[in-house]
Amino acid sequence: AQKVTQAQTEISVVEKEDVTLDCVYETRDTTYYLFWYKQPPSGELVFLIRRNSFDEQNEISGRYSWNFQKSTSSFNFTITASQVVDSAVYFCALSRFLGNQFYFGTGTSLTVIP
Amino acid sequence: EAQVTQNPRYLITVTGKKLTVTCSQNMNHEYMSWYRQDPGLGLRQIYYSMNVEVTDKGDVPEGYKVSRKEKRNFPLILESPSPNQTSLYFCASSLTGTGENTEAFFGQGTRLTVV
Repeated sequence: AQKVTQAQTEISVVEKEDVTLDCVYETRDTTYYLFWYKQPPSGELVFLIRRNSFDEQNEISGRYSWNFQKSTSSFNFTITASQVVDSAVYFCALSRFLGNQFYFGTGTSLTVIP
Repeated sequence: EAQVTQNPRYLITVTGKKLTVTCSQNMNHEYMSWYRQDPGLGLRQIYYSMNVEVTDKGDVPEGYKVSRKEKRNFPLILESPSPNQTSLYFCASSLTGTGENTEAFFGQGTRLTVV
């Protein structure tokens, strides 16, 4: 069975602080895909990143970076120098190679205080 | 513009009154699915469709129906809505049902309240 755990329900940081959102997943598949989505207060889901299980390279995109570690089944997301606009709910998700069903974590609500 | 369109965005209805939430995509995607989002539970899949006339249950299908008569449309039907179906619903589509093309495009969401 597939499962994604986001243990941090809510996080508050002061603007310009760095913050890491944790994601731990479970799967027996050898091929799978990991995602992060952002859900701002307006409610839509915004795609941030996709990672396949064979690519453990860390990725950086501006102030965002992702650390994928297969050994610990984790796919953590770091925001550097946080801004108020980063305030949102962030979801980590896993999808299988076949079937394309997404398994979402319960989300982490991030509040950046000015 | 590539998009997934859901209608309506907001809906308040009464218990037992049949309703349909429409979902349409303009990307010629084969795969479409419906999710519901509830506090503390994240998003859970209701139904999915690998292609026209091919649908299957997700994790929480009870109380819902779907159909896929055309590639672009994937309506969600609640035959007899109940208050426990009050939720935020998302439709999603992706190019195929295999992992290499799993970037999913989500609609803007439909907030449904059943009283």
